[in-house]
Amino acid sequence: GQNIDQPTEMTATEGAIVQINCTYQTSGFNGLFWYQQHAGEAPTFLSYNVLDGLEEKGRFSSFLSRSKGYSYLLLKELQMKDSASYLCAVSGNAGNMLTFGGGTRLMVKP
Amino acid sequence: DAGVTQSPTHLIKTRGQQVTLRCSPKSGHDTVSWYQQALGQGPQFIFQYYEEEERQRGNFPDRFSGHQFPNYSSELNVNALLLGDSALYLCASSLGTGFKKAFFGQGTRLTVV
Repeated sequence: GQNIDQPTEMTATEGAIVQINCTYQTSGFNGLFWYQQHAGEAPTFLSYNVLDGLEEKGRFSSFLSRSKGYSYLLLKELQMKDSASYLCAVSGNAGNMLTFGGGTRLMVKP
Repeated sequence: DAGVTQSPTHLIKTRGQQVTLRCSPKSGHDTVSWYQQALGQGPQFIFQYYEEEERQRGNFPDRFSGHQFPNYSSELNVNALLLGDSALYLCASSLGTGFKKAFFGQGTRLTVV
């Protein structure tokens, strides 16, 4: 089976840095995705990791360790608009489907 | 370039009824996946369509069925609706069956009363 865990809620201050962790146990591994989802809206793609290491894209970075079944999403210089749910998703052996974690609801405070 | 479009955006149905949701994939995409997202939870995979066939299915009962048309658009049908079917139904499109970045539609909010 597949299991993906991430914290339910996090709070951070505008301008700060926040790290959202994700651990996974899957049957096979074809990549890990992070999506951002504002309330009532569609998930939007943030990052994709298939090899170990850090992928940086502007204020957002994502890290993967396949041996540890671990990933994190790092958000720098937080802005109020970053308040959203962040979804960790893994593509396993069944190649085409994504298994999502429950999402981490991030609240950015002034 | 239109992204993934879903219709309707909101829907209210009564227990026991049937519902059909529709999805048009992003231009150039040929694969459509459907997800169910209950309030406060992550999306759960229902099934995926490619070349008008169901290629992959998640852990959902046969009450959930689908179809893909030659123009790659897709429908999700749910029969004998239960209160627990109330959720946001998301459609995601991609190119080919090997996994690539998927683009999500805005979803259809289904409420069963």
